[in-house]
Amino acid sequence: DAGVIQSPRHEVTEMGQEVTLRCKPISGHNSLFWYRQTMMRGLELLIYFNNNVPIDDSGMPEDRFSAKMPNASFSTLKIQPSEPRDSAVYFCASSSGLARSYEQYFGPGTRLTVT
Amino acid sequence: AQTVTQSQPEMSVQEAETVTLSCTYDTSENNYYLFWYKQPPSRQMILVIRQEAYKQQNATENRFSVNFQKAAKSFSLKISDSQLGDTAMYFCAFLNYGQNFVFGPGTRLSVLP
Repeated sequence: DAGVIQSPRHEVTEMGQEVTLRCKPISGHNSLFWYRQTMMRGLELLIYFNNNVPIDDSGMPEDRFSAKMPNASFSTLKIQPSEPRDSAVYFCASSSGLARSYEQYFGPGTRLTVT
Repeated sequence: AQTVTQSQPEMSVQEAETVTLSCTYDTSENNYYLFWYKQPPSRQMILVIRQEAYKQQNATENRFSVNFQKAAKSFSLKISDSQLGDTAMYFCAFLNYGQNFVFGPGTRLSVLP
């Protein structure tokens, strides 16, 4: 299996622009998670989906952030408009949710820089 | 709400020696999972080891082992025969059956030659 795939790996954009981050979970996994990692706040859970349905989006910082999962193999995290304080590494992770497989498998992350 | 604490922001160890990273957590749950993740400079998050709370036996994975003390809510990671490739950030994480994943702030480990 290719693991969790994220694109792009790096994104540099100007303040006010729309940014879309993409994630392909491991095939067969039914839970998908978006995290943000910064030096100041560490690793934060933004939102997670189970069977393509958003279960908990309480970590989404504000209305500028939105996430979708139109099918089991694809999810997006969109920021519009972007701001410099959104600069961070964004991770996508997936898990199968089965008793032996609660561990989450992380993608390589997308490093976002907003200037 | 569950919280995870890692009291050692940074640690260093000589190559081939043993190091222990500490983690404590707070929960009212009885059944849950605990994890240690490693994040090397490549920033990829890699699962190191997992422990189910209902198991009394400490989990081991090659050079990595845990000391799980459920009553004390402690979950330390021991790395034996440290290698240069072990240099990374290590995150302790808690997961309950509702899949509410909580990470600690991380410990930066440097393995010195």
